[in-house]
Amino acid sequence: GAVVSQHPSWVICKSGTSVKIECRSLDFQATTMFWYRQFPKQSLMLMATSNEGSKATYEQGVEKDKFLINHASLTLSTLTVTSAHPEDSSFYICSANRGTTDTQYFGPGTRLTVL
Amino acid sequence: AQSVTQLGSHVSVSEGALVLLRCNYSSSVPPYLFWYVQYPNQGLQLLLKYTSAATLVKGINGFEAEFKKSETSFHLTKPSAHMSDAAEYFCAVSDGGAQKLVFGQGTRLTINP
Repeated sequence: GAVVSQHPSWVICKSGTSVKIECRSLDFQATTMFWYRQFPKQSLMLMATSNEGSKATYEQGVEKDKFLINHASLTLSTLTVTSAHPEDSSFYICSANRGTTDTQYFGPGTRLTVL
Repeated sequence: AQSVTQLGSHVSVSEGALVLLRCNYSSSVPPYLFWYVQYPNQGLQLLLKYTSAATLVKGINGFEAEFKKSETSFHLTKPSAHMSDAAEYFCAVSDGGAQKLVFGQGTRLTINP
């Protein structure tokens, strides 16, 4: 149990376009989802915390107008990278909490390449 | 504020040898501590977690970790390394539950045949 999926697993887009990444909890309801960014050979950096039905909480330095997060249901959160630029190229990973459990379950990640 | 320091960005051991990955944390409140493993181009998989119960925590794939408050450490060990253990390992801390994990820089484990 506690499976989290992401779609797409990889995406290549042109500079200036927008890209949407989906994060789904497949076998549980997630009241909270998290979005991370990981640069090559580096650790994960939390971008934002997403609670179902409310606005996401962004970490300091993360542009909320550039990285739009929607958590419309207990099983789906989306991250939209708006007007993407090459510096947005990265590995984006989501995670989800299962109810009151003390564990985050991670998705497989989405590799974004902006040309 | 919380932080995690993983000593050694790269650890290399022989197959069958002891694996020791070091993690030290800083936290102003009793911490929750986690070890995750990441295989290339994949997400993170939970190995084990400490949540203020037993100080010696056993996880999956033969890994275990010991919480030592006096040393602010949570080192990960495995008695005998297997080739399939080669991966990136991350130690993480939170101040309660699984909210806002703070990750260490990661340690790449290489297993030599």
